[in-house]
Amino acid sequence: GEKVEQHESTLSVREGDSAVINCTYTDTASSYFPWYKQEAGKSLHFVIDIRSNVDRKQSQRLIVLLDKKAKRFSLHITATQPEDSAIYFCAASMDTNTGKLTFGDGTVLTVKP
Amino acid sequence: DAAVTQKPRYLIKMKGQEAEMKCIPEKGHTAVFWYQQKQSKELKFLIYFQNQQPLDQIDMVKERFSAVCPSSSLCSLGIRTCEAEDSALYLCSSSRDRGRSTEVFFGKGTRLTVV
Repeated sequence: GEKVEQHESTLSVREGDSAVINCTYTDTASSYFPWYKQEAGKSLHFVIDIRSNVDRKQSQRLIVLLDKKAKRFSLHITATQPEDSAIYFCAASMDTNTGKLTFGDGTVLTVKP
Repeated sequence: DAAVTQKPRYLIKMKGQEAEMKCIPEKGHTAVFWYQQKQSKELKFLIYFQNQQPLDQIDMVKERFSAVCPSSSLCSLGIRTCEAEDSALYLCSSSRDRGRSTEVFFGKGTRLTVV
């Protein structure tokens, strides 16, 4: 089955800098790649997603890049703010069932003021 | 706020006891998923329902869990005999269908502690 590896287990940046979290996946059939944010003690909150028919998507300060050949996707948070501090999870699924997600292990992002 | 409702938020059980947690998916959503998360680490897929029917589940669920979605408005996940390793946050998610449409929404979870 699909395996998603999230490369950074922890990431610390200064406020205003960019943060980049990288993920790789194994199943070429995966075509939907969402990102979720989890704050301490809370559930997962959808952040942004990208589908395999594009290689870049931006929503305000968030940019997602997808490299299908390398089976790699990344989340870029620009102009980071302390409230961006949380655990970020990348995930992958297939078009046939976008809700059945395979998650990475999570990246603890700390944005220092 | 999460459109998916989970109850209870916290559950404490002794080893050997039965546990049950409930999920109300977002209105109109026909796909329901359960995940297990231990210590804020990766989420592990447990079971998937489509239109109240279980279509996919891992072996652990088949062996020790019970899960039903008798209506589109209420699903439940049960553990027949709790073990210490079952201590985790159980997250329910739902989506409109299983196809291309759709964003997936997660509930706040039920945190199970087995003592």
